[in-house]
Amino acid sequence: NAGVTQTPKFRILKIGQSMTLQCTQDMNHNYMYWYRQDPGMGLKLIYYSVGAGITDKGEVPNGYNVSRSTTEDFPLRLELAAPSQTSVYFCASRDGLSYNEQFFGPGTRLTVL
Amino acid sequence: KQEVTQIPAALSVPEGENLVLNCSFTDSAIYNLQWFRQDPGKGLTSLLLIQSSQREQTSGRLNASLDKSSGRSTLYIAASQPGDSATYLCAVSGGSSNTGKLIFGQGTTLQVKP
Repeated sequence: NAGVTQTPKFRILKIGQSMTLQCTQDMNHNYMYWYRQDPGMGLKLIYYSVGAGITDKGEVPNGYNVSRSTTEDFPLRLELAAPSQTSVYFCASRDGLSYNEQFFGPGTRLTVL
Repeated sequence: KQEVTQIPAALSVPEGENLVLNCSFTDSAIYNLQWFRQDPGKGLTSLLLIQSSQREQTSGRLNASLDKSSGRSTLYIAASQPGDSATYLCAVSGGSSNTGKLIFGQGTTLQVKP
């Protein structure tokens, strides 16, 4: 199993541009998550999904959108990039059992100039 | 609102020393607590997960404890090695429904000197 994969690894955007961060997992997990990590800080939840077709906001959803059309994929969309969205973005997944751990992807480092 | 705090923010120890990393949380209604390791520029690697009904978990030289009533967890690293140098994050999962949303602390950056 590849686990959780994310593309791209790095990206530089100009203010106002848009992009989609891709996340795919091959573990047949129902639950998927997007977090962002600012320098020297812990991670904060942006959006999450409990299954295909079901998504909900996390702690810091403003400026982002998500969709979940399949179990495997959970893309994160930035519509109008702003410097405040410069961060490292992590995707994670877990199965539906209450006590099971989350598995994280390698991250996407995004810079908005 | 759940808040997670990790103290200290940074720690430097000589190789071979035993050490303890601390994590505290404000709401004791948690489903589980996870400890992660993060190497510079890398993703998160899960080290240990403690269910809310458990008191501790062990993996090799690592031992994590959980005291829900006091809102505390510790990660004990025995006989530290330079390869243990990394940032250690704790995160709790909880709330009114078990959606698995994690609330993270800011992390403790550990340096083990040869």
